Amino acid sequence: EPEVTQTPSHQVTQMGQEVILRCVPISNHLYFYWYRQILGQKVEFLVSFYNNEISEKSEIFDDQFSVERPDGSNFTLKIRSTKLEDSAMYFCASSVGREDTQYFGPGTRLTVL
Amino acid sequence: LAKTTQPISMDSYEGQEVNITCSHNNIATNDYITWYQQFPSQGPRFIIQGYKTKVTNEVASLFIPADRKSSTLSLPRVSLSDTAVYYCLVAEGTGFQKLVFGTGTRLLVSP
Repeated sequence: EPEVTQTPSHQVTQMGQEVILRCVPISNHLYFYWYRQILGQKVEFLVSFYNNEISEKSEIFDDQFSVERPDGSNFTLKIRSTKLEDSAMYFCASSVGREDTQYFGPGTRLTVL
Repeated sequence: LAKTTQPISMDSYEGQEVNITCSHNNIATNDYITWYQQFPSQGPRFIIQGYKTKVTNEVASLFIPADRKSSTLSLPRVSLSDTAVYYCLVAEGTGFQKLVFGTGTRLLVSP
């Protein structure tokens, strides 16, 4: 069964450093998403992406965040200058169509020291 | 935006049927109801989705009354591995499904 994969599973970084989280969506999916979950809190929407453009973003997704589909398989989330409060699980998701079921990856645990 | 309300936690024993009810009084005509399961430190896993009446798959059943203001996820004969957080979500109408997760229902299955 096809799955969304994410790398790395755990990323530790120093405050102020740039990080790139990587995702490989399910191959025939066209819509991609990033969510995050701070420990003990709700899963929060960050951004949706289709046809090489951001379609919607939340207030969390400020100028420090960016997304890219650098090739035909990867979907990345970049945080330019990490803050302590960026520490969270980051989940990538993908769906075939815009109203189809979203399938989530296993997540990347980001720890900012 | 249709807000969902579900119990914070539920307890059950192995082999029992578990029913988790979610209310969504402001559900819109185009909205679907989706349930996800999440284990600690893992991504949400899709369980089931429906629009009205009853939907069943190999994992669960979803019951939706005619007014669609609530839905019930039914897990038959739970096992210890069903211990997880279960989220009821209502898609935000047409356009991108910006999934809005609530706090979910923490189900604890005991031996």
